[in-house]
Amino acid sequence: GEDVEQSLFLSVREGDSSVINCTYTDSSSTYLYWYKQEPGAGLQLLTYIFSNMDMKQDQRLTVLLNKKDKHLSLRIADTQTGDSAIYFCAESKSGANNLFFGTGTRLTVIP
Amino acid sequence: EAGVAQSPRYKIIEKRQSVAFWCNPISGHATLYWYQQILGQGPKLLIQFQNNGVVDDSQLPKDRFSAERLKGVDSTLKIQPAKLEDSAVYLCASSLGTRGTGSPLHFGNGTRLTVT
Repeated sequence: GEDVEQSLFLSVREGDSSVINCTYTDSSSTYLYWYKQEPGAGLQLLTYIFSNMDMKQDQRLTVLLNKKDKHLSLRIADTQTGDSAIYFCAESKSGANNLFFGTGTRLTVIP
Repeated sequence: EAGVAQSPRYKIIEKRQSVAFWCNPISGHATLYWYQQILGQGPKLLIQFQNNGVVDDSQLPKDRFSAERLKGVDSTLKIQPAKLEDSAVYLCASSLGTRGTGSPLHFGNGTRLTVT
């Protein structure tokens, strides 16, 4: 299957950590991505992880991959109001380069 | 480096009219993609080019949508005739690598199409 699932909404207080979750169904996926979309803008690549890794950290962002459960998460430490946006999880499959996107999680940061 | 450029940013047309969108990818990027993003949904691939050849157009409604990438650089996406359900944001993206390399996609700001 090609479905990538995400919860639709998440609210956190400024300074707290945010965790955005994603599940995918295709075990052949080779790369998994997180994109951020602000209102009226395109998608900004945040980070990505190869399927043979289980964790990747980049400044305030930590990506965890559980390949057995086909579960991907994005943790944002010290969440700021500027982090308010829609976050998309996406997968690419072996031998391909196009991405399959989830429906996006709208993160709202409360000051 | 300059990002992916798209124009126009907004377009409003009546149903049954035609419309065209333009995309200029990041210099040197071999692969170009057009995605359709309907409000409240994630982007869905319409067509993928590698240089000036089509890699995947399986989700492109070919009775009304067409796309070309002449000379392997700029691309245009056309809808003729438009339907109400074509109202969406059309996103262009490009990537440096070819299939299976994991080369990230870089997106433009999109063209928001409203069909009335």
